[in-house]
Amino acid sequence: DVKVTQSSRYLVKRTGEKVFLECVQDMDHENMFWYRQDPGLGLRLIYFSYDVKMKEKGDIPEGYSVSREKKERFSLILESASTNQTSMYLCASSPSRGPRGYGYTFGSGTRLTVV
Amino acid sequence: AQSVSQHNHHVILSEAASLELGCNYSYGGTVNLFWYVQYPGQHLQLLLKYFSGDPLVKGIKGFEAEFIKSKFSFNLRKPSVQWSDTAEYFCAVNAFSGGYNKLIFGAGTRLAVHP
Repeated sequence: DVKVTQSSRYLVKRTGEKVFLECVQDMDHENMFWYRQDPGLGLRLIYFSYDVKMKEKGDIPEGYSVSREKKERFSLILESASTNQTSMYLCASSPSRGPRGYGYTFGSGTRLTVV
Repeated sequence: AQSVSQHNHHVILSEAASLELGCNYSYGGTVNLFWYVQYPGQHLQLLLKYFSGDPLVKGIKGFEAEFIKSKFSFNLRKPSVQWSDTAEYFCAVNAFSGGYNKLIFGAGTRLAVHP
């Protein structure tokens, strides 16, 4: 019954490395999102996408980029990882582009540690 | 700017105690509101949602929330908590602008229920 799959549960990377976080959904959802979750800060939106090859910046896009070449896959890229990017990264998808906003389905998260 | 405020960051209760978690939002458009729960080691799950109609909404596992428009609030309640309710709870509002939906989350409330 897997719906949103994030490729890695735990990752450890070195400062300056280029890091790819992959997310795949099997629900044919149009919308996909990347959040980071930090204690006391909740979930903060990094980037989102409403269509293939389309992306929009969220609230904290600095240091990140994204790629959506296929509808089911949304990748988050850390161009040059830094220690302040150590966090839990959550991918989510939703079916609706209309104003209603039906809520998201989340993946299990990738806990990234940058050393 | 849209925002969500959760008043309590940590709540500790004994089993059978009643629960109320506060949530206030700042958003000028049509409001869709959500409560998500994250059990230890698990992904975020939708607890309940409000779109329109009856301001008292019921969710899974005996939770309910009341939308009070005049107070910009959407507080979560449960009459009698169980040890298994130990989790982190997130309130979220759907913001629709520029033709896009995005969920804005509060900082979360960690609930610990002691037997």
